Amino acid sequence: AQRVTQPEKLLSVFKGAPVELKCNYSYSGSPELFWYVQYSRQRLQLLLRHISRESIKGFTADLNKGETSFHLKKPFAQEEDSAMYYCALKDGNNRLAFGKGNQVVVIP
Amino acid sequence: NAGVTQTPKFRVLKTGQSMTLLCAQDMNHEYMYWYRQDPGMGLRLIHYSVGEGTTAKGEVPDGYNVSRLKKQNFLLGLESAAPSQTSVYFCASSGTGRKGEQFFGPGTRLTVL
Repeated sequence: AQRVTQPEKLLSVFKGAPVELKCNYSYSGSPELFWYVQYSRQRLQLLLRHISRESIKGFTADLNKGETSFHLKKPFAQEEDSAMYYCALKDGNNRLAFGKGNQVVVIP
Repeated sequence: NAGVTQTPKFRVLKTGQSMTLLCAQDMNHEYMYWYRQDPGMGLRLIHYSVGEGTTAKGEVPDGYNVSRLKKQNFLLGLESAAPSQTSVYFCASSGTGRKGEQFFGPGTRLTVL
């Protein structure tokens, strides 16, 4: 069975400082990884997917199969980045397994 | 397009009462999902459907039932609510294929007293 681990529940950073959210996974098949973001009292929305290799809102994430990781990074945090971030892995049946999430608070 | 909608937005139940949460999507998606979101637990899959007339159990199915009579709707039922079912419930839908992104509804906040 697949498993997604996000080790830190709460991350506080100052505005302008770098942000890195760690995500590790275990899956026997070919992984498909995503980062979802949930702003206060809003629905979850897709932030990044590994197959797109894109940068969204300054965030990037690289899939490292050797380390089974998909860490999310942003060089300079902004106040509007304060949100809940979930790493997720999609299995062969189109189901998502989510990590427990990271609450990011950007301090002005 | 409205995307994924959920009704109701809020509900308070007493232990033992029943209710049905409705999810609707207008994107002609094959797959639909019900999750619950609890503090410190992330999102956990309750049940899902891979097409009209089909349902399957997810990670935490006990105490819930679902139905997918129409492609655009996915119903989540609680036959006898318990305080442990106090949670925020999210519905999602996705298309098929490798790039099938899951789109989420706004959530239903349920409190069971």
